[in-house]
Amino acid sequence: QQQVKQSPQSLIVQKGGISIINCAYENTAFDYFPWYQQFPGKGPALLIAIRPDVSEKKEGRFTISFNKSAKQFSLHIMDSQPGDSATYFCAARGSGNTPLVFGKGTRLSVIA
Amino acid sequence: DTGVSQDPRHKITKRGQNVTFRCDPISEHNRLYWYRQTLGQGPEFLTYFQNEAQLEKSRLLSDRFSAERPKGSFSTLEIQRTEQGDSAMYLCASSLGSGTGLGNTIYFGEGSWLTVV
Repeated sequence: QQQVKQSPQSLIVQKGGISIINCAYENTAFDYFPWYQQFPGKGPALLIAIRPDVSEKKEGRFTISFNKSAKQFSLHIMDSQPGDSATYFCAARGSGNTPLVFGKGTRLSVIA
Repeated sequence: DTGVSQDPRHKITKRGQNVTFRCDPISEHNRLYWYRQTLGQGPEFLTYFQNEAQLEKSRLLSDRFSAERPKGSFSTLEIQRTEQGDSAMYLCASSLGSGTGLGNTIYFGEGSWLTVV
């Protein structure tokens, strides 16, 4: 049973476009939702994270939108650049600082 | 800046052999996690420690797997009698562990690749 469902599996975006990746969760006990970025051969690195008491968080070109009632959250990458080409994982964690559960990932390719 | 350090980065072993991976977390991080990642998949939780205490083990952690964190600092993950299905990247991560705020980030190492032939 997958606790965090991520889509799409892969995404191709033109340079300068907007990349959108979606995640859905079932466990209402989750209270922390990070996005990680992973380049080939490297470990995941935290990109941006949100708590469910806010509906949106923006850091530079990266924005998380959070819909608590729908149990969905998404990552928006504005002005996508070739250097953003990587695999992106959404994740979630319950209260009490329990371990993160990850989605299956989205492979993003930004083409010039 | 010393992040999470893992060793070795790559290991090729024959089926049936034992392998051990080491993880050095970020200094003062009292939580340490082990995850496994296969190609095209997200990291899957294996086990985690709060200081030297192992608090949770996933069903993925068969009895051939054992993890230790003897002094609450570095950790080792040992796989006995390796099988081809054990081929994966083994990720270590650490966090401060206290509180649930956004500041309590989980930081990952670069992983240890295992290939069982």
